[in-house]
Amino acid sequence: AQKVTQAQTEISVVEKEDVTLDCVYETRDTTYYLFWYKQPPSGELVFLIRRNSFDEQNEISGRYSWNFQKSTSSFNFTITASQVVDSAVYFCALNSNDYKLSFGAGTTVTVRA
Amino acid sequence: GAVVSQHPSRVICKSGTSVKIECRSLDFQATTMFWYRQFPKQSLMLMATSNEGSKATYEQGVEKDKFLINHASLTLSTLTVTSAHPEDSSFYICSASGAPYQETQYFGPGTRLLVL
Repeated sequence: AQKVTQAQTEISVVEKEDVTLDCVYETRDTTYYLFWYKQPPSGELVFLIRRNSFDEQNEISGRYSWNFQKSTSSFNFTITASQVVDSAVYFCALNSNDYKLSFGAGTTVTVRA
Repeated sequence: GAVVSQHPSRVICKSGTSVKIECRSLDFQATTMFWYRQFPKQSLMLMATSNEGSKATYEQGVEKDKFLINHASLTLSTLTVTSAHPEDSSFYICSASGAPYQETQYFGPGTRLLVL
């Protein structure tokens, strides 16, 4: 069975602060994929990143960065210098052989001006 | 690339009527499409998986006669909520995946259904 845990339900920060979203996963598969999606108030899920289980390199894309630690089964996401437009629900997700996504509960990020 | 559209974005209907929601992959061939339901402030719940040209596979607890899914082409899947009732009111969102990144699902903008 697969499981994704996002322990933080809500995070509120002031603009320009950094915010880190935690994601811990469980799977018995050796090959799997990890994802982060953003869901703004409009509702659409926006794909942010995909990482396969064999690639532990951290990644940076603009103000976003991701830290994949296989040893602790974590795939954390950091937004640097947050902006009001970053306010959204962020989902961490995992899939493996059947390509079905297991979602975490989501973390609501509120960035205040 | 990897754009998925969904129509309608919002629908209000009377109890007992059927509602069809379309999901289209605009710039890639979607060999697999997924349908989710999302309640307020909750995560996404997978309803069914459909592969082009074959019958959909429903998750446990999802009534296949209630939620009819058709995936007739590599760019279109439809979800029909039959004889809708107020408890079917929800946010329905589809996703699509296909080559070259079969493992990645790209999501549509969702459909808000309100059954009166």
